[in-house]
Amino acid sequence: GDSVTQMEGPVTLSEEAFLTINCTYTATGYPSLFWYVQYPGEGLQLLLKATKADDKGSNKGFEATYRKETTSFHLEKGSVQVSDSAVYFCALRKSNYQLIWGAGTKLIIKP
Amino acid sequence: DGGITQSPKYLFRKEGQNVTLSCEQNLNHDAMYWYRQDPGQGLRLIYYSQIVNDFQKGDIAEGYSVSREKKESFPLTVTSAQKNPTAFYLCASSTLTTDRKNQPQHFGDGTRLSIL
Repeated sequence: GDSVTQMEGPVTLSEEAFLTINCTYTATGYPSLFWYVQYPGEGLQLLLKATKADDKGSNKGFEATYRKETTSFHLEKGSVQVSDSAVYFCALRKSNYQLIWGAGTKLIIKP
Repeated sequence: DGGITQSPKYLFRKEGQNVTLSCEQNLNHDAMYWYRQDPGQGLRLIYYSQIVNDFQKGDIAEGYSVSREKKESFPLTVTSAQKNPTAFYLCASSTLTTDRKNQPQHFGDGTRLSIL
């Protein structure tokens, strides 16, 4: 069945470091892919999305490219800030509106 | 402002008790969802509804029930049959359009349920 695999956390970086959080997926067809962010004690917010191969989603300095050949959707940011500390979830959309979620990756940014 | 409101933010349940979590949206979204989140895990789908008076079981529906009498509301009842209810519960909604791939889900701020 469809699945999403994220790198295990926590990921700990210093401020202004380069960030990569890996996400790979297994699915039939061409699902839409998403990154969501969850700040402590809150719900999830959509960070970015991509709907077809080679699409690049971007928002707030974060980017992710839909790579069909490697079935990946890695999240990157060139220079992280303390305020980026959160849990990041990768997800894919099944055709019947359901989302398949990764386990989440906790990001800790130290000043 | 449009959004999804979940209440209460914290809820405590006694043994053998049913409790109901509220979810209201004013986004005019057709579809609504309930997820359970356990520490260190991703979200697991409990129930979802694409239209009023209709809903489908997700991956972990046992011990839960829902209703969808109004488009704006999708309450979740955690019954006494759910033996491990302590978790963070998230409600979400999305629009249904002909372009099924392009409508993300919007989330409420969650309800944290604990056992007394």
